[in-house]
Amino acid sequence: SQQGEEDPQALSIQEGENATMNCSYKTSINNLQWYRQNSGRGLVHLILIRSNEREKHSGRLRVTLDTSKKSSSLLITASRAADTASYFCATAGAGSYQLTFGKGTKLSVIP
Amino acid sequence: ETGVTQTPRHLVMGMTNKKSLKCEQHLGHNAMYWYKQSAKKPLELMFVYSLEERVENNSVPSRFSPECPNSSHLFLHLHTLQPEDSALYLCASNRGRGEYNEQFFGPGTRLTVL
Repeated sequence: SQQGEEDPQALSIQEGENATMNCSYKTSINNLQWYRQNSGRGLVHLILIRSNEREKHSGRLRVTLDTSKKSSSLLITASRAADTASYFCATAGAGSYQLTFGKGTKLSVIP
Repeated sequence: ETGVTQTPRHLVMGMTNKKSLKCEQHLGHNAMYWYKQSAKKPLELMFVYSLEERVENNSVPSRFSPECPNSSHLFLHLHTLQPEDSALYLCASNRGRGEYNEQFFGPGTRLTVL
């Protein structure tokens, strides 16, 4: 299975702090994606990193990928209360439509 | 919200009812998906429809029946459901294979089976 496993399951931080979430997976991938979900809503795509990339930035988001360790991290800098949500990593194999999601990290940012 | 709409947003049904969930995407995508999201479980892929193929998760019970009349519309027909089928059902779409497989999700249908 290529299932991603996020760590930690839950994270609570103060507004302004940085939040780091980790994802591990089991088999080779084409790319890895991070999604965000507000409570009871659909998922929103945040960032995609390809298997030949090591780091990618988008605004306050920084994603790293280490294919030798089969792991990725998502860093949210200068967190805001509005960042409170669940964050999921998803992996895609080569030439595949399908994404395999992990269970997610629930982030709470306290104002 | 993201070009993918789902109706209804909430559904309560008895175990003997028959209902359908509808998904529509306005993004010109080639593939559509149904996912089930239960509490404390990973998102479970149920069905995939694309120009090339239909893919089913073999663990999905036959009481769930998908229909994809065209590339913009996807239905999930429900009949004789069980209480454990209560979950958030999410529809998604994307352009297809390779690096362009970022998925766009609808807001979901919250299903409660009594």
